[in-house]
Parts: sequence; structure tokens; C-alpha cells
Amino acid sequence: SQTIHQWPATLVQPVGSPLSLECTVEGTSNPNLYWYRQAAGRGLQLLFYSVGIGQISSEVPQNLSASRPQDRQFILSSKKLLLSDSGFYLCAWSNSGSRFAKNIQYFGAGTRLSVL
Amino acid sequence: AQSVTQPDIHITVSEGASLELRCNYSYGATPYLFWYVQSPGQGLQLLLKYFSGDTLVQGIKGFEAEFKRSQSSFNLRKPSVHWSDAAEYFCAVGEDSSYKLIFGSGTRLLVRP
Repeated sequence: SQTIHQWPATLVQPVGSPLSLECTVEGTSNPNLYWYRQAAGRGLQLLFYSVGIGQISSEVPQNLSASRPQDRQFILSSKKLLLSDSGFYLCAWSNSGSRFAKNIQYFGAGTRLSVL
Repeated sequence: AQSVTQPDIHITVSEGASLELRCNYSYGATPYLFWYVQSPGQGLQLLLKYFSGDTLVQGIKGFEAEFKRSQSSFNLRKPSVHWSDAAEYFCAVGEDSSYKLIFGSGTRLLVRP
């Protein structure tokens, strides 16, 4: 069966420091991958998605970037964190194979980022 | 552009009572519709999905949802709520030509003992 892993679960970083959050998927190949941010008490904001290695689509201009160095690995990065980058970051995947399956997203447990 | 509205930010029900969470969408064609649940500090878990066919769909944990095209709605229901159902619920819409889902802002369910 497929599983998705995100780490770390919690992160406290000072303003201006770099960021690297990692997400990996097991048990499938060529998944679609997604990064979301969820601010406190808010819905989900799609940040990036990827349909293949090296293919990244950005949804919102911001201080963050994403990379997909391997088929099942998705990394969210920042060179210098801002206070406004605080939030709950969620990685998700979907199956690229079929018309319906590509719309079903499965989420990781999330990373709570606090920028101080 | 697609949009999803969950008009209730919070809902409180007593344990054992029935539940209905509202979801309205805006989309020209037949949408793909989803309900997810999120426990505090956790990721989202898929409860149920609708692509086509029978407009009443069954999900996990005793939940069901009904697609009503005329009302552009996909409301989530459960006949008897358990304390463990307390969580945040998100409705989402997708489409055939996109890889993306559009999420509503969520409804937080509180369950009274």
C-alpha cells in the first residue's frame, strides 16, 4: 500500500534562517505531488504541485520554492524565512494514472512551522 | 473559476444527534467532489468522493453525502454523531482537466457529551 511521510513534524526557526521540509511517497511511482499551507483557523492554500521530476508549478508568489529531485521526493525550501511563513504545511500525493484517480489526494501528517 | 463555500465555520451537536455539514460549489460542468476530515494537528483524511453515477455516496466512519446538481451542493451527513467525530471538515472540488483541488474554508465540528 502507499504511504506518505513528512518531516519534521514540528519546527521552530528564527526569522532569516533557511528552511527545508521533505516529503516522500512509498508504494507508487510517478505520483502527482503537492505542497499546501494552512494558516491557523484557515483553509488550505495550494503552494506548489508537480507532475514529474523537475516539473514544478507555483500557485502563489512567495518566499518559498519547491523541488522534486527524485520521483517520490518533494522538498519545500526557503532561503530566508519570514514571520508570515509560520503555519501548518501539508504534503499530498495523487495517482497520475487515471482520469479520476489523479483527483484523489492523500495527505501526510503535516509539519508545524513556527518562525520567531 | 471554481469555488467552494462552507457557510458554517463552527457547528456544535450533541453526541448521538444527527449531523449535516453544508457545502456549495461553483463550477460549470459536473465537478468531482470530496469531503476530508482533519483532526487537530493532523493531515487530512478522505471521507468520501463523488465522480459520477449515484448521487448518494457512502464513505468511511458512517458518513454519507448527497450531490444535488440543482442546488450546487454536496452536503455531508451522519445519522448519529460520536464524540470522536469532533474535527474539522473540508469540502473540495476538482475537475477533469486539472490536477488541483479547490478546498472550502472548513467547518469545525464540536460534539457535546
